[in-house]
Amino acid sequence: KNEVEQSPQNLTAQEGEFITINCSYSVGISALHWLQQHPGGGIVSLFMLSSGKKKHGRLIATINIQEKHSSLHITASHPRDSAVYICAVPVYGGSQGNLIFGKGTKLSVKP
Amino acid sequence: GAGVSQSPSNKVTEKGKDVELRCDPISGHTALYWYRQSLGQGLEFLIYFQGNSAPDKSGLPSDRFSAERTGGSVSTLTIQRTQQEDSAVYLCASSLIAQTDTQYFGPGTRLTVL
Repeated sequence: KNEVEQSPQNLTAQEGEFITINCSYSVGISALHWLQQHPGGGIVSLFMLSSGKKKHGRLIATINIQEKHSSLHITASHPRDSAVYICAVPVYGGSQGNLIFGKGTKLSVKP
Repeated sequence: GAGVSQSPSNKVTEKGKDVELRCDPISGHTALYWYRQSLGQGLEFLIYFQGNSAPDKSGLPSDRFSAERTGGSVSTLTIQRTQQEDSAVYLCASSLIAQTDTQYFGPGTRLTVL
């Protein structure tokens, strides 16, 4: 069964800083999800990654399948990026089935 | 187009009562997921449907929990004999075909068991 670790748990940054959030898992996968949960509770799917790198605006997600590790980067961070960022992987590896979630990284960007 | 909708948005019930939570996925999405987030806790996967079938029900916390999906569309999560530890936000998501597709989340149902 997969185990997911995210770091850091909490992150405070000044506006404009470059942010990195890390996610490690224990069982090989071919799909990893990054989610964003806003302070009001709404959840948005940011990326689904199977290899390499994806970019959407100021957000960049990378995954190294061999090292079982993914990172989420935010360039030129802004207070509106303040949210909890969560990674999720299939419980039993692969790309299908139930997901298991990291505990999340709470990001606070100060103006 | 319309996103994923859930009803009710809030539900307060007494311990021991049954509750039904509803999820309307995005039209045409064949995969549907139920999650739970307890206060101060992370997301917990409950069950997912591919069409009307649930390949893996092992995420359901106990046999008091059940879910069904009919017509490949609306899904209902039922909790029987609710307990205080069932209090949580129950989230539904859908994706076009499979879990390798982007999941779109509903606003959630906040369940409070008194």
